[in-house]
Amino acid sequence: GQNIDQPTEMTATEGAIVQINCTYQTSGFNGLFWYQQHAGEAPTFLSYNVLDGLEEKGRFSSFLSRSKGYSYLLLKELQMKDSASYLCAVMDSNYQLIWGAGTKLIIKP
Amino acid sequence: DGGITQSPKYLFRKEGQNVTLSCEQNLNHDAMYWYRQDPGQGLRLIYYSQIVNDFQKGDIAEGYSVSREKKESFPLTVTSAQKNPTAFYLCASETSGGSTDTQYFGPGTRLTVL
Repeated sequence: GQNIDQPTEMTATEGAIVQINCTYQTSGFNGLFWYQQHAGEAPTFLSYNVLDGLEEKGRFSSFLSRSKGYSYLLLKELQMKDSASYLCAVMDSNYQLIWGAGTKLIIKP
Repeated sequence: DGGITQSPKYLFRKEGQNVTLSCEQNLNHDAMYWYRQDPGQGLRLIYYSQIVNDFQKGDIAEGYSVSREKKESFPLTVTSAQKNPTAFYLCASETSGGSTDTQYFGPGTRLTVL
């Protein structure tokens, strides 16, 4: 079966750095997406990785290792507004997105 | 402004009633999707459409129906056959299906069946 695993909840301090991990087992791979979702709102696109390595976009970076079935989202200089759920999704061989349950990130002052 | 709209944001229905959730996009996207989100679970695909007048079942299509008569619109009907319809419903669109394009989401409709 297809499976996406990410931690249920993480807590970090304002101004710090946090890494949210995602491991996956899917039938085929056409890329990995990270989305941010504030409570009760729509997911918004953060990043897309299809090749191994690190993609940096401002305070957010995303890493992919296809051989390990592993990705992480790195958030630097955390701000209170970063409190949200972070969703990992993998596009399988049929170009369908398989979604993880999301990681709820709590930022404390 | 281009975007995806869903209405209403909150919807209450009595058990046994059908209800239709609206999704409209003016992004000129070919592909549209309906997902269901429940606490502690990933988004689950209900139906998707890659082109007007065509749609396919997703992983949890039972108890739901859709239509795609216009490119801009992809309404979802939650029928009385859906055993546990209370959930947060998200509509998304994408430039074209069967590609690695990014999916963009509407604001969602929270359906509560009493």
